[in-house]
This record gives sequence, C-alpha cells and structure tokens, in this order.
Amino acid sequence: NAGVMQNPRHLVRRRGQEARLRCSPVKGHSHVYWYRQLPEEGLKFMVYLQKENIIDESGMPKERFSAEFPKEGPSILRIQQVVRGDSAAYFCASSPVWQSTGELFFGEGSRLTVL
Amino acid sequence: EDKVVQSPLSLVVHEGDTVTLNCSYEVTNFRSLLWYKQEKKAPTFLFMLTSSGIEKKSGRLSSILDKKELFSILNITATQTGDSAIYLCAVEAGNTPLVFGKGTRLSVIA
Repeated sequence: NAGVMQNPRHLVRRRGQEARLRCSPVKGHSHVYWYRQLPEEGLKFMVYLQKENIIDESGMPKERFSAEFPKEGPSILRIQQVVRGDSAAYFCASSPVWQSTGELFFGEGSRLTVL
Repeated sequence: EDKVVQSPLSLVVHEGDTVTLNCSYEVTNFRSLLWYKQEKKAPTFLFMLTSSGIEKKSGRLSSILDKKELFSILNITATQTGDSAIYLCAVEAGNTPLVFGKGTRLSVIA
C-alpha cells in the first residue's frame, strides 16, 4: 500500500511567486493534516481537512495561505506571493478517522525554498 | 495555550550508550502522548501512551508516561548509528490537532 505521497519534494520559488504543494493521503484515509516545520523547530499545525471541507484552519496564516481537499484528487496547500519566511518543510499527514485513534501517517514533506 | 517541551534539544552519544529523552507537557483535556522518529524523511510513529505507569516497548526502545507529573520519557538502550534522528513528542488534547515539541536531535557516533 502506498503511504502518504507529497509532491514536489523540493520547490524553489522567487519572492512574489506562488507555491502549490500536493498531498495524496493513504488510500482510504479521508482526513488530511498539514504541518510546517522550520529549521530547528517542531511541527506546527496549519490546517485539518476532510473531503471538501476545512475543519480546522486555526494554524494557518490568514493571508496568502489556502488549502483544499477536493472530492477527487489530492489535497493542495497553496501559498501566494511567497516571502523568504515561508521557506520551510511542509508535511502532510493522513488518518482514516479523526486523529483520536492516535497515529498519523506522514508524507516525506515538501521543502520550499524562497529566494 | 497547549505546550510540549522536549529536552535535551540535542544529544551526542557513542554506540552502545543508553539515552533518555524527555517530554513534558501542559495541555487541557489530555488524551494521549505520541513519540515519532524523524530521519531525513517522514516522521514515523513509535509509541502512543494514554495511561500512566504502563511501559510500551519495541526492541531497544521503550517509553512511559507519568500523567501526574505531566511528562514522558523515551529510552533507547544499546544505541546504534541507525538510531540517529530527531525524536518528536506530540500530545493530543481535547479535540485539537496534535501539538508537537521541537524535538530532540540524537546523534550516535561509532
């Protein structure tokens, strides 16, 4: 079984450009979570989505960031007009039900570098 | 605000040493504590702890939770170079997403 698939693995953007990060959850998982990891920092929650719904976006900056998880296709984290401070590793995780069962399955991350 | 603090932030040991990693937390409506291992790729699940005093064990790794003192430890015995990684502690509280600590970076040298 394929795990959580993220692409691209590495993305370089210039300031002001847009970044789109994709996440395909484990087959059969309908809950997706996005986390951001800055150097020497832990994983910071950004957003939790179910199919076609944003459940919790309390960790996502109010401007320039958006996320979706359409009925068909991967979840997408979109960052508009990127700035240097957006450089980080963005991890996606999925679970079959709300995380209260404990284990989240993580992807290998997308590393965004903003020049 | 929910908080998870790990110590030490980094640690260098020699192969064969035993290490203890610490995780303390302050959260509302604690549900569970989880340990993950992060090498250069995806964090991988190690343990989930919900009850105090019950040790979880997997090979050379073990972990225990103290809900009264609000901390957990992760022990690794007879360390190997393959144990080198960042060890992440996360706490599930109420209906909020997992809150992660900053991690402990363990380096095991031959």
